[in-house]
Amino acid sequence: QLQLQESGPGLVKPSETLSLTCTVSGGSIGSSSYYWGWIRQPPGKGLEWIGNIYYGGSTYYNPSLKSRVIISVDTSKNQLSLTLTSVTAADTAVYFCARGMYFYDSSLLKRDAFDIWGQGTMVTVSS
Amino acid sequence: DIQMTQSPSSLSASVGDRVTITCRASQNIRNYLNWYQQRPGKAPKLLIYAASTLQSGVPSRFSGSGSGTDFALTISSLQPEDFATYYCQQGYNTPRSFSFGQGTKLEIK
Repeated sequence: QLQLQESGPGLVKPSETLSLTCTVSGGSIGSSSYYWGWIRQPPGKGLEWIGNIYYGGSTYYNPSLKSRVIISVDTSKNQLSLTLTSVTAADTAVYFCARGMYFYDSSLLKRDAFDIWGQGTMVTVSS
Repeated sequence: DIQMTQSPSSLSASVGDRVTITCRASQNIRNYLNWYQQRPGKAPKLLIYAASTLQSGVPSRFSGSGSGTDFALTISSLQPEDFATYYCQQGYNTPRSFSFGQGTKLEIK
């Protein structure tokens, strides 16, 4: 059973860089059948997509965060990473990693969704 | 960017009720629409993908419908474990850009 576990510092100072890791167990992060994403949720608020990384290394980011975000994969460690620079209090949130899986709909058209999620890790930005 | 708008933002219902949550996209997204359930303090769980296909293991009381800009999630007979927050998510421009609705909190009446 594939599992995802986020880890990283729970407290980051304003203007500094937030770095999180998502460790994948029970499967390979390097499979071409999946992609990987980061999603965050500020306290008491909704979900915000941060970005995805696809097989081959292509990355796509939320336009509102694009200038500050880097997502990468280390296949040797089976880990996904998130780097967010110049953080402010607005970046305080629970950060989730998730696996994106491809499905076929009733017309056999290819679709996708996040089918497995990590439990999330809370990051607070404060001095 | 594609904006997703859910309604209502919150909903009170009783066990056994039939409820429907709607999600509207700011442009045609065909059926690139997924639904997730999130219980307090937990990660979201995929319920439905491609607007109407039930994810494996999800009870059949959940159903999804719609295409284009208007979508719905229906729970035919609410169970105690269904009281949670529900989110729609579009992936039309996949792999370039995803977005979530603001969520609908389903509470016990």
